[in-house]
Amino acid sequence: DAMVIQNPRYQVTQFGKPVTLSCSQTLNHNVMYWYQQKSSQAPKLLFHYYDKDFNNEADTPDNFQSRRPNTSFCFLDIRSPGLGDAAMYLCATSRVVTGTQYFGPGTRLLVL
Amino acid sequence: AQKITQTQPGMFVQEKEAVTLDCTYDTSDPSYGLFWYKQPSSGEMIFLIYQGSYDQQNATEGRYSLNFQKARKSANLVISASQLGDSAMYFCAMREGYNQGGKLIFGQGTELSVKP
Repeated sequence: DAMVIQNPRYQVTQFGKPVTLSCSQTLNHNVMYWYQQKSSQAPKLLFHYYDKDFNNEADTPDNFQSRRPNTSFCFLDIRSPGLGDAAMYLCATSRVVTGTQYFGPGTRLLVL
Repeated sequence: AQKITQTQPGMFVQEKEAVTLDCTYDTSDPSYGLFWYKQPSSGEMIFLIYQGSYDQQNATEGRYSLNFQKARKSANLVISASQLGDSAMYFCAMREGYNQGGKLIFGQGTELSVKP
């Protein structure tokens, strides 16, 4: 089945230690998104790629970076995680920017 | 100002009954899309149903239907014949126009509990 896969499902890191979250898709969609969802809150868009074109939300902290080496994969790098970065990180894809977004299972990040 | 408002933080429904989850939105863009997602405790966001601003008819997908009232700017989700597996958080979301990169703006969610 075509799907969006996120690894790992749970990630524990230490304060200030860089961490990378991974997303892959078999849907062959052009657009990939990263959302941050803190406890009991709505998801918030961090950035998205349309093909290789990177688009950052204005209020996304510089601590967050992303890479998309090919159509299938997209990575979220958190350079120096703080306690406030503990959250669920959701990857989503859509065929075009006006299309329906399909989400992966998410990665729960815990910062100690 | 809130662009998506879900006024029901929590809802209870008896198994096999229908339930309506409210969503109102605010936009001046004539072209927009409205979505409902289900998020179980596992965390995955599951797409349920979509309504485009120019769609003439209300969207339906199996037991899910969207009661779209454009003049009132509401897009309520109706779940018929509730099942225990419907217990989850439900998010209403909006995408504005074609120049926002597909950004979804989510409401705060409604937690639905289905009682046996």
